[in-house]
This record gives sequence, C-alpha cells and structure tokens, in this order.
Amino acid sequence: QVQLQQSGPGLVKPSQTLSLTCTVSGVSVSSGYVYWSWIRQSAGKGLEWIGRIYTSGNTNYNPSLKSRVTISLDTSENQVSLKLNSVTAADTAVYYCARGTTSGGAPERPAEYFQYWGQGTLVSVSS
Amino acid sequence: DIVMTQSPDSLAVSLGERATINCKSSQSVLYSSNNKNYLAWYQQKPGQPPKLLIYWASIRESGVPDRFTGSGSGADFTLTISSLQAEDVAVYYCQQYHSTPRTFGQGTKVEIK
Repeated sequence: QVQLQQSGPGLVKPSQTLSLTCTVSGVSVSSGYVYWSWIRQSAGKGLEWIGRIYTSGNTNYNPSLKSRVTISLDTSENQVSLKLNSVTAADTAVYYCARGTTSGGAPERPAEYFQYWGQGTLVSVSS
Repeated sequence: DIVMTQSPDSLAVSLGERATINCKSSQSVLYSSNNKNYLAWYQQKPGQPPKLLIYWASIRESGVPDRFTGSGSGADFTLTISSLQAEDVAVYYCQQYHSTPRTFGQGTKVEIK
C-alpha cells in the first residue's frame, strides 16, 4: 500500500527557503511510470500544481514558480523533496506531495492524475 | 495555461437527490491521437487531502461508490452524484492533465439542504 508522509517546518521567514520532505512507503520512488508532484492549496489561489519529478529524475515546474523551485528524489531514503526559495506571504499555503499516475496515456502525452496524497503541511510565511 | 472553471461555486441538495457539478476547460482536453479526455475529479473533505474519484473523465477509481458518475468530452464535463448521501458533503474539484502546468477548477462546495 502506497503511503506518503510529509515533514517539514510550519513557519518560514520571508525571503528564506521553504523545505519539505515526503517519505514514501510501499513503493520505490525510483521505480515505475509515475510522477512525484507537489501541489499547494491556498484560500486565494485554490489548488496549484507546483511541479513534478519523474522516477528517472527529470523535472517539470509550473512556470509561475519555476525560478524558485527545486524538486528532488532521495532514493536512499525513499523521499521526495521540495525547496522553494525567496518565499513571501503569498507562499503561505497547505503543501501536498502526491503521486501522479501515468498509465493509460499516450507516450507523447502521458496521464497525470493523483491517486495518492500526503497528509498536507500548512506552511506559513511570517517574520 | 488551461483554465478550469466550475459551476456552481456551491450547491445545496436534499439527501437522496441528484447533485450536478459542471467543469469547463478553456481549451479542449481531448487528445485526438488516443481519443481520451485528460480530466479527473476529486473530493476533498475538511482537513483532508483531495481524494481521486474519476479519471479519464468517466472511469471511477477503485472503491468509489457508483452513485458518482463522470461524463462529458472536449471542454465540457459533469460530475453527477445520483443520490446524495451525508458523507458526500465536501468540495469537489476537476483537474486537467492534458497540458502542463496541470490546473484545477476552483472547487464546488456540496452541502445538504
């Protein structure tokens, strides 16, 4: 059974870096045809896809955040990590990690619907 | 970006009655090469992450009750709850996975009348 457990600080100061970790159990983060994604949810912007990393390590980011985001895999710890730098109050949100399923899509246009989610981490940006 | 617009923003339905939620995308999410609609629906209850209900616009996720039905094609989609139960009170979201960035609708809150 796939489970995603998130960890990381709930409070980050403006201009600093937000760092969250998603520890995966039940499957290896480096195997299979899946994406590991980060999604955030704020009152103002609803659900916002931040970006993803494929099991191969290839990444894609939302252009609106691309200059500030890094998503990485730690295969030794079976974890997916998110770093968002230069945060402001607008980055205050609940952050989720999620596993995106690619099956059923065309090779040149794979699927990405989210079957498994972490529990969510509320991150507030405040001094 | 593909903009997903849901309607209504909220609705109140009597127990046992039908609830219908609409989702419109700013461009078609139908991929002609495989004739599939790249559209999913989620249910979110307070304090919980979204839960996948429907993918490929109409395929029910394992374990999802058959009172939930997804339909539509191209740019217009519907999620129908055929007979509303108390446990269905939640916010429902559509999501397109046709293009990046992936985008979600703003959500529709379903309540009991």
